[in-house]
Amino acid sequence: GAGVSQSPRYKVAKRGQDVALRCDPISGHVSLFWYQQALGQGPEFLTYFQNEAQLDKSGLPSDRFFAERPEGSVSTLKIQRTQQEDSAVYLCASSPRNRGETQYFGPGTRLLVL
Amino acid sequence: GQNIDQPTEMTATEGAIVQINCTYQTSGFNGLFWYQQHAGEAPTFLSYNVLDGLEEKGRFSSFLSRSKGYSYLLLKELQMKDSASYLCAVEAGGFKTIFGAGTRLFVKA
Repeated sequence: GAGVSQSPRYKVAKRGQDVALRCDPISGHVSLFWYQQALGQGPEFLTYFQNEAQLDKSGLPSDRFFAERPEGSVSTLKIQRTQQEDSAVYLCASSPRNRGETQYFGPGTRLLVL
Repeated sequence: GQNIDQPTEMTATEGAIVQINCTYQTSGFNGLFWYQQHAGEAPTFLSYNVLDGLEEKGRFSSFLSRSKGYSYLLLKELQMKDSASYLCAVEAGGFKTIFGAGTRLFVKA
């Protein structure tokens, strides 16, 4: 496909369960971002990858959140021991190089923790 | 701290012009983005400003004043499909992009 894809599109988890969210960026894009978007708010930065290197993880809210991009393409955001406040839309975006580039967003994964 | 302010909601009439303002205070500044986001969908790119001044792109224009920490998005000849949230975002220091909460625009007939 031509765009960024994310799976699953919807995820319902019981509190305490671990979840894994997948992002397939546009082929060849160097940069990959993860964001968390609460209802009625703008996306909030979580972490940034340049190829396989995680250069900024300052936005991850706690050590329950972990992201990886081992081969510099597909990325996974893992949330351990989910809590209700983790309920949000998780957006992935990629861009061709690094700064000053348009970020192309995926459709997001809507996570609901019960 | 990092702060981006934009109005929560605006209403305008089809065919009119609307200006959405954004003020920012960030620890660094590399550039400013405007994105459009329809309900339940991903944000899509509208514009990117690095230097002061006005950038025009069809019905959409974006203005930046770095000294004032201010930007606006101008939408002309409004159409019903322009009803959406408009997100102001600053590419701050490092690799972080800071988004505002968004302005929900309602276009009425």
